[in-house]
Parts: sequence; C-alpha cells; structure tokens
Amino acid sequence: GAVVSQHPSWVICKSGTSVKIECRSLDFQATTMFWYRQFPKQSLMLMATSNEGSKATYEQGVEKDKFLINHASLTLSTLTVTSAHPEDSSFYICSARRGGGTPDGYTFGSGTRLTVV
Amino acid sequence: GQSLEQPSEVTAVEGAIVQINCTYQTSGFYGLSWYQQHDGGAPTFLSYNALDGLEETGRFSSFLSRSDSYGYLLLQELQMKDSASYFCAGLRGSTLGRLYFGRGTQLTVWP
Repeated sequence: GAVVSQHPSWVICKSGTSVKIECRSLDFQATTMFWYRQFPKQSLMLMATSNEGSKATYEQGVEKDKFLINHASLTLSTLTVTSAHPEDSSFYICSARRGGGTPDGYTFGSGTRLTVV
Repeated sequence: GQSLEQPSEVTAVEGAIVQINCTYQTSGFYGLSWYQQHDGGAPTFLSYNALDGLEETGRFSSFLSRSDSYGYLLLQELQMKDSASYFCAGLRGSTLGRLYFGRGTQLTVWP
C-alpha cells in the first residue's frame, strides 16, 4: 500500500531557530501534498497545499513567510518553520495525494511533534 | 467557509453499535469522508461518500445526505481497538482536492 514517511517524528528546538520537516511518498508519486497542524484534542487544520514545481497555496491566516513549503519533486515536500516560537509548538502532519481526487487516495504521514523552548 | 461539527466524545461497550454524526457548512463541497486517528498517530482513511446514501465497508458504514448537510459514521460490533478519535472531513475542489476536518470525536470502548 501507499506509504508516506515523515521525518523527524519529534523535534525540540530553541526559540528563534528554524526547523525543517520532510514528507516523502515512498512508493508512489504525489503531485499534491498537504500540510496540517493539530493541537491536542483538536482538529487537523489545513495549513497549505503544495504542488510539485509550483508555489504552495496557503490557507487564510497562515503566514507563508513563517511556514515555508517546498515541493521540489514528486516524492518530497518540506515544511520549514522559521524563527520558531513556543506558540508554534504543535503536531504537524503531511498528506500526499496519489491518482484521482477522492479521499481514499490520500495517505498521511505519522506526524512531527514540534516543541519550541 | 468550512465548518464541520461533530460530538466531542462518545462512549460505548464492546459489541455495541455507535453512530457519530457530522453536520457541515462547506462551500464547493464534493463529498464527506471519515478518518480514524489513534493518539499521536497518522489519520487513516475509513470511508467516503460522494453521493447521498449509505456506504458499507465491513464493520463501518457511512451515510451522507447533501440536502440536510449531514452525515454519520456507524461502527458495529465495537472492539476495544476501535477506541480512537474519528474525524469527518469535507472534500473541497475537484482539482486541488483539499480536505477540511471536523474537530473529531473521541470514542472510548469499554469492556
């Protein structure tokens, strides 16, 4: 089956530093990848949609200069949290879409727990 | 905008049947899907309704009524391992296909 690898699974960083999170589709090509943010006991909030070779589309209220997304290949998308602050601490999850647009074609990564101290 | 409402918690015993409802207000909406997430894990796909009616997949069934902006997930023959969070998600946009999630329902199954 389709597998999406997300790395790292957890990271602790100091306030003011930047953190990069990778999302890879291991056995399929993903023309579209999505990034979500999830607070404890809360919903997955869509942050941005990235298409290979083009600029990401950010949801309203998401700072594109703070959350840099790069989708350089059909199997890799990265999210960089720049100048991280404690309020950026959260669980970040990526999703990769293969084939058509129905939800059974979306595979989620296992998430990255970011803690900013 | 996108807004999907579902109960925050549901409890049931093993072997029982539970229904998790989802009402939504989503523009440009193509269908309703359901995901399961165990603590700290990846959401996994359960079911998708593009059309009105019932979709059955093993112990899980999902229903959609577009006219009522309403759907539900039905879980039968509950097992302890079904304890998890369940999210409804609306699919918006045929090209980009964005999924917008509800707040999730925490299901606890007791022995």
